[in-house]
Amino acid sequence: QSVLTQPPSVSGAPGQRVTISCTGSSSNIGAGYEVHWYQQFPGIAPKLLIYANTNRPSGVPDRFSGSKSGTSASVAITGLQAEDEADYYCQSYDSSLSGWVFGGGTKLSVL
Amino acid sequence: EVQLLESGGGLVQPGGSLRLSCAASGFTFSTSAMSWVRQAPGKGLEWVSAISGAGGSTYYADSVKGRFTISRDNSKNTLYVQMKSLRAEDTAIYYCAKSRDPFESWGQGTLVTVSS
Repeated sequence: QSVLTQPPSVSGAPGQRVTISCTGSSSNIGAGYEVHWYQQFPGIAPKLLIYANTNRPSGVPDRFSGSKSGTSASVAITGLQAEDEADYYCQSYDSSLSGWVFGGGTKLSVL
Repeated sequence: EVQLLESGGGLVQPGGSLRLSCAASGFTFSTSAMSWVRQAPGKGLEWVSAISGAGGSTYYADSVKGRFTISRDNSKNTLYVQMKSLRAEDTAIYYCAKSRDPFESWGQGTLVTVSS
């Protein structure tokens, strides 16, 4: 059971908009700690996708956007493309555990 | 360009030990915190350990505390993790990552298999 909760899977058709949620608690997201998102393709190391809740590293398309509110965060992908099919993980810091924590991951399928 | 290259993985028996290394280049290693993150086969990501740039502060997940020791040699631009008393549940791909919040860049990973 992950400290941060993500849906196991989401799907969408090409061109559509999908969102992936990440629900935490008062000891992590709700405490004000930043949320980061990673994208991982099969057999490849994860890549930073969104950092500090809403920021995109250089090279990440603006189709990807992040948000945070209360004890939750989400990443939205607009104009869905086949190449977006991957696993997505949220990550934050947890003060109760005194460590960094990940969500369980969400598999995005492009129909 | 940031490059991180892990090595040292392999097959080890339960109760055994292993030391992983991560050779870093493309950034000022000595001023960057570094981390280890692992991924069990078919599972999600789990933060394992982190260390400050100078090496004076170290952090561990409860699952490895007392068994793993993170360290670094800034003269060699290399990060290490010494793993002892290994268990089957430690079987995973171990990634080293630049920084710790967020994990900015990742290596390709090295597979550790704990099995008799």
